[in-house]
Amino acid sequence: GDSVTQMEGPVTLSEEAFLTINCTYTATGYPSLFWYVQYPGEGLQLLLKATKADDKGSNKGFEATYRKETTSFHLEKGSVQVSDSAVYFCALSESRSNYQLIWGAGTKLIIKP
Amino acid sequence: DTAVSQTPKYLVTQMGNDKSIKCEQNLGHDTMYWYKQDSKKFLKIMFSYNNKELIINETVPNRFSPKSPDKAHLNLHINSLELGDSAVYFCASSHRTSITGELFFGEGSRLTVL
Repeated sequence: GDSVTQMEGPVTLSEEAFLTINCTYTATGYPSLFWYVQYPGEGLQLLLKATKADDKGSNKGFEATYRKETTSFHLEKGSVQVSDSAVYFCALSESRSNYQLIWGAGTKLIIKP
Repeated sequence: DTAVSQTPKYLVTQMGNDKSIKCEQNLGHDTMYWYKQDSKKFLKIMFSYNNKELIINETVPNRFSPKSPDKAHLNLHINSLELGDSAVYFCASSHRTSITGELFFGEGSRLTVL
């Protein structure tokens, strides 16, 4: 079945460092891909998405490119801030599973000042 | 004017008790969900309702019973609480065939079973 694998956290970086959180997926069809973010004490919220190969999703300085050849959707940010400290979830959905979201395990990001 | 609201936010109770968590959304969505998030932040879907009809019922003990009185509300009742039920429970909502993949989450209800 479909699955999402994320790099294990926590990921600890200094402020202004470059961020990459890896995400790879397994899917039988052509999924849409998502990154959600969960700030401390809050629910999850959609950060960005891409619906087809080579699409790039972007929001709040974060980017991720849908790479079909490597089945990946890595999250990147050029210069992180303390306020980016959160848990990041990669997810996919496709029509074969009635668009139900398949979630990665989440990656905790800690940014130190 | 919170989009998805859950009550209570914190719940501490003894083993064996019965408790309920309520959820309401004012986004006009027709699908609502309950998720369980464990201490390692792993997210697991429990139930999904569309227009008051159950459409997803994952492998969850039958001590957990969802109830949707209308499409804006989805409550979760838990009987005979066990230590392993301690977690954060999230309610979420979306449009039925959410090709956009966007779920709107509540702030969570932290359940602690002693």
